[in-house]
Amino acid sequence: DTAVSQTPKYLVTQMGNDKSIKCEQNLGHDTMYWYKQDSKKFLKIMFSYNNKELIINETVPNRFSPKSPDKAHLNLHINSLELGDSAVYFCASSSLAGYTEAFFGQGTRLTVV
Amino acid sequence: DAKTTQPPSMDCAEGRAANLPCNHSTISGNEYVYWYRQIHSQGPQYIIHGLKNNETNEMASLIITEDRKSSTLILPHATLRDTAVYYCIVRPRGDNDMRFGAGTRLTVKP
Repeated sequence: DTAVSQTPKYLVTQMGNDKSIKCEQNLGHDTMYWYKQDSKKFLKIMFSYNNKELIINETVPNRFSPKSPDKAHLNLHINSLELGDSAVYFCASSSLAGYTEAFFGQGTRLTVV
Repeated sequence: DAKTTQPPSMDCAEGRAANLPCNHSTISGNEYVYWYRQIHSQGPQYIIHGLKNNETNEMASLIITEDRKSSTLILPHATLRDTAVYYCIVRPRGDNDMRFGAGTRLTVKP
C-alpha cells in the first residue's frame, strides 16, 4: 500500500481552468504539506496542515486553496490556472506528535497550456 | 530562506564513499540536522537525522561537528542508484516548517 498517494500523476489543462489535486496518507500522520517544485527544481513549501488546521501558508496566490476534510486528506484546488503554475506538486505527511519524518508522494506534474 | 549551505554538485566513483558536506553555522540548540534525497523527479526520501551525536542507519552515516555548525552525510559504498539531489535541512524536531535549499546533486559514476 502506498503511504502517501496523489492523484492524478499527470495533469494537462488550459489556462483559466480550475483543477484539483488529491492527496491521501494512510500512515496515521497528523500533519500534511503541499510543496511546489518548479522547472529550476527548487522545492518550496506552500501549505502545512496539522490536525486539519492550517499552520503554514506561504506567499501563495489565493487562487490556490487547500482543503483538509480529515487528517488523512489534503487536497489542493487551483482556480484560474496560469502558465506559471506549471510545476510538479508534492504532497507529504508527518507525525509531529510522534516525531516521525516526512513521507512524500510521487508528485503531480501539472502542465498549463 | 534555507538555513544551510551545500555545494551544488559532486561526483563519486561507484563503490567508493560519498561524503556530502553541509554548513549550518546559525543552527540553534534545539534544531536537528535532517537529510533527504530526491532521485530524479520522485518525491524526496528521508535518509537520516541527528542532533549532536553521530548517527548511522542502513542508508548512511551522519557526522556532526562538535560545534554543530557543519555536518557530513556519508554513503559508505555509493551505487549508481544513489545518484540524486541530497538536501540538508535544519529544524526543531516536531516543527512542521520544513524548508529545502538547493541541495547537492550527487552523480555516482561507474
